[in-house]
Amino acid sequence: DQQVKQNSPSLSVQEGRISILNCDYTNSMFDYFLWYKKYPAEGPTFLISISSIKDKNEDGRFTVFLNKSAKHLSLHIVPSQPGDSAVYFCAASVRAGGTSYGKLTFGQGTILTVHP
Amino acid sequence: DAGITQSPRHKVTETGTPVTLRCHQTENHRYMYWYRQDPGHGLRLIHYSYGVKDTDKGEVSDGYSVSRSKTEDFLLTLESATSSQTSVYFCAIRGGGHYGYTFGSGTRLTVV
Repeated sequence: DQQVKQNSPSLSVQEGRISILNCDYTNSMFDYFLWYKKYPAEGPTFLISISSIKDKNEDGRFTVFLNKSAKHLSLHIVPSQPGDSAVYFCAASVRAGGTSYGKLTFGQGTILTVHP
Repeated sequence: DAGITQSPRHKVTETGTPVTLRCHQTENHRYMYWYRQDPGHGLRLIHYSYGVKDTDKGEVSDGYSVSRSKTEDFLLTLESATSSQTSVYFCAIRGGGHYGYTFGSGTRLTVV
């Protein structure tokens, strides 16, 4: 049972335009969400996160939106650059404490290609 | 760089042999995790540790065991490697109170 789903395996965008990556989750206990970026032959690197008490978080060109009622989050990259081409994973966690130990559940990933 | 290293980076092994992957950190973080990455599945948790000698299973733990005898090292052992365990394995660390992981560079394991 995939609790975090990224239904688009790939996305192709022109440089300068907006990239929108989507993620859905099913577990209503998740209350912290993160996006990771991964280049080939490297480990994933943390990009941006959002707590369930917020519906938006911005960091430069990256904005994450959370719609709790729809159990949906999205990552917007504006403007997109060729260096953004990578695999993007969304992840979710029950807030650390108790027995969760900060475990992250990841989606399948979306390959973003930004064309010059 | 990030204070987390995985070894080896690449390994080819035969079916039925035991294999041990090592994760070493210099950050003194309490939490350590082993994930595997496979196409169509993203990253799936194998085992994790919340302290020395404190470990527990993740969602895909069958055929794997772990050990953590000191803070800095977290070992993943494939007891008898199978072709289905061909994958890229990532170790991650997390400090208490912070939810983002720092990942290692990964180990590409091929079981033939």
